[in-house]
Amino acid sequence: GENVEQHPSTLSVQEGDSAVIKCTYSDSASNYFPWYKQELGKGPQLIIDIRSNVGEKKDQRIAVTLNKTAKHFSLHITETQPEDSAVYFCAASINSGGYQKVTFGTGTKLQVIP
Amino acid sequence: DGGITQSPKYLFRKEGQNVTLSCEQNLNHDAMYWYRQDPGQGLRLIYYSQIVNDFQKGDIAEGYSVSREKKESFPLTVTSAQKNPTAFYLCASKGSGGVDTQYFGPGTRLTVL
Repeated sequence: GENVEQHPSTLSVQEGDSAVIKCTYSDSASNYFPWYKQELGKGPQLIIDIRSNVGEKKDQRIAVTLNKTAKHFSLHITETQPEDSAVYFCAASINSGGYQKVTFGTGTKLQVIP
Repeated sequence: DGGITQSPKYLFRKEGQNVTLSCEQNLNHDAMYWYRQDPGQGLRLIYYSQIVNDFQKGDIAEGYSVSREKKESFPLTVTSAQKNPTAFYLCASKGSGGVDTQYFGPGTRLTVL
């Protein structure tokens, strides 16, 4: 089955700096890659996603890149703010027989230091 | 959290007791999912349902049961057979018609005393 690895597990940056979180996946059939932000004690919230036919997508300070050949994708947050502090999860999704199977990474705890 | 609600937010259970976690959505989504989250780990799939009156086991279904009698509701029962039930439980739903995004509820934290 699909295996998603996520690095780093923790990341501390100064406010205003950029943060990069990287994920790799194993199944080349995966075609949808969402990123979620989870604040303490809450459910994950989708922040950006990318499909396998796109190499890059940007939404204000957040961008995601996808390299299908290397099977890795990354989340980039620019001009970080204290409210960006949370746990971020990547995921890889594959449709099989009408069922969507989503495999999540183990999460990155981002701390933005004011 | 969109239109997905989970209750209760916190739940305490004595060993040997069954307990049911509620998940309701008003998004008209066909598919619903239950995940378990443990510290330092990703989300692991317990059960999923693609349509009313149908559900399938996920990766860690042992000790859990579900029902899907209504489109809006997908309750999860944690039985006494679940050896380590203390965890954060998340419910999610997804629309149909080529939509891939799963939307999550706020979660229920279950603690076994």
